[in-house]
Amino acid sequence: EVQLLESGGALVQPGGSLRLSCAASGFTFSSYAMSWVRQAPGKGLEWVSGIRSSGGNTYYADSVKGRFTISRDNSKNTLFLQMSSLRVEDTAIFYCAKDIDSSGYYPYYFDSWGQGTLVTVFS
Amino acid sequence: DIQMTQSPSSVSASVGDRVTITCRASQGISSWLAWYQQKPGKAPKLLIYGAYSLQRGVPSRFSGSGSGTDFTLTISSLQPEDFATYYCQQADSFPRTFGQGTKVEIK
Repeated sequence: EVQLLESGGALVQPGGSLRLSCAASGFTFSSYAMSWVRQAPGKGLEWVSGIRSSGGNTYYADSVKGRFTISRDNSKNTLFLQMSSLRVEDTAIFYCAKDIDSSGYYPYYFDSWGQGTLVTVFS
Repeated sequence: DIQMTQSPSSVSASVGDRVTITCRASQGISSWLAWYQQKPGKAPKLLIYGAYSLQRGVPSRFSGSGSGTDFTLTISSLQPEDFATYYCQQADSFPRTFGQGTKVEIK
């Protein structure tokens, strides 16, 4: 059974930094592209960032480009999101999501999700 | 960026009703479209990918159609467990983008 367990969410002030982690199990982590998707309170879904299975290519939403960095450690089956220069509008539940395609080339569709971790940026 | 626009934003329906949700892309995305269901306090669940392919374990009352810019999610006979919010998502180009969501409510 695929399991994705996010951690690292916290309360942080604007301008601060935070690192989210997602521990994966139940599948061959190194074969799949992964993504982070967020949801602000009472709002819709926003794709934040994605990474190829190898970690060699990364992709970002315009709203986080230059501030967030996605990475992965395939030896530890873990996905990361380093967030800096945080803004109030970054407040959201952050979900880790596994791609449906085992080629690992691009993040396309998200067939497994974690339970999410809450990031609150307050002034 | 490709904008995804869903309609309606909400729909009230009864158990047994046929429900149709539309998603329009701001430019052609071929069949690179998925549909997700989300219930309050839960993570989204993949229903349809590639515009019409049913994800494993998803009931056959869900179906997807369309290509290019216009897509449809149909629930053929609404069940109590289907009351939720539904999102479309394009996978044609980066950044991936979602529609704003359609809430299916009990009439």
